[in-house]
Amino acid sequence: EIVMTQSPATLSVSPGERATLSCRASQSVRSNLAWYQQKHGQAPRLLIHGASTRATGIPARFSGSGSGTEFTLTISSLQSEDFAVYYCQQYNNWPPYTFGQGTKLEIK
Amino acid sequence: EVQLVESGGVVVQPGGSLRLSCAASGFTFDAYTMHWVRQAPGKGLEWVSLIRWDGGSTNYADSVKGRFTISRDNSKNSLYLQMSSLRTEDTALYYCAKDMYPDSSGYYGPGDYWGLGTLVTVSS
Repeated sequence: EIVMTQSPATLSVSPGERATLSCRASQSVRSNLAWYQQKHGQAPRLLIHGASTRATGIPARFSGSGSGTEFTLTISSLQSEDFAVYYCQQYNNWPPYTFGQGTKLEIK
Repeated sequence: EVQLVESGGVVVQPGGSLRLSCAASGFTFDAYTMHWVRQAPGKGLEWVSLIRWDGGSTNYADSVKGRFTISRDNSKNSLYLQMSSLRTEDTALYYCAKDMYPDSSGYYGPGDYWGLGTLVTVSS
């Protein structure tokens, strides 16, 4: 099973600043990596697939990068609605699909 | 508009059984693999199971293998999860999700649409 590790667990950033979230895979997942945003009491929302492709309707301030075992989600200028929990997920080697434990992005 | 609506979540005793349903609309249901993903209270996401477009292939997380059965009825645009021998650690919000790639593509990917979930509580 591929283990996904996200860092940091909590990230405090001011509105308008850049946020950088990391995700590491225990073995290569090539570019088969997705990022989700989950707000309190809501279902996860797909942001990024293929490590760097924005899903339909996702603003350009969200960008993903990386391949193999190291991935990054960058939010270029944080808006109030971006404060949420973010999860990465690999879909290269399955079953099982595996998620990271999440990064909580909070207002500084 | 794609919609996924889960139902069937209740409070059940350890060892009990339960069937969850997911009603799908707004897309060609029988063209896509479907997933169940769960989230324990205050915890992260855990993939549970998937089923191919025709029900001919299924996969499960080790934590539920042998206890849960995924199925679908394409004539009713519905996905199901039969849960048995339930444990307290199965307590979670259960989401159904649509795979983003049609089965005909040969690719399997993340869930691009998710329902709001149905809460299963296993407690005596």
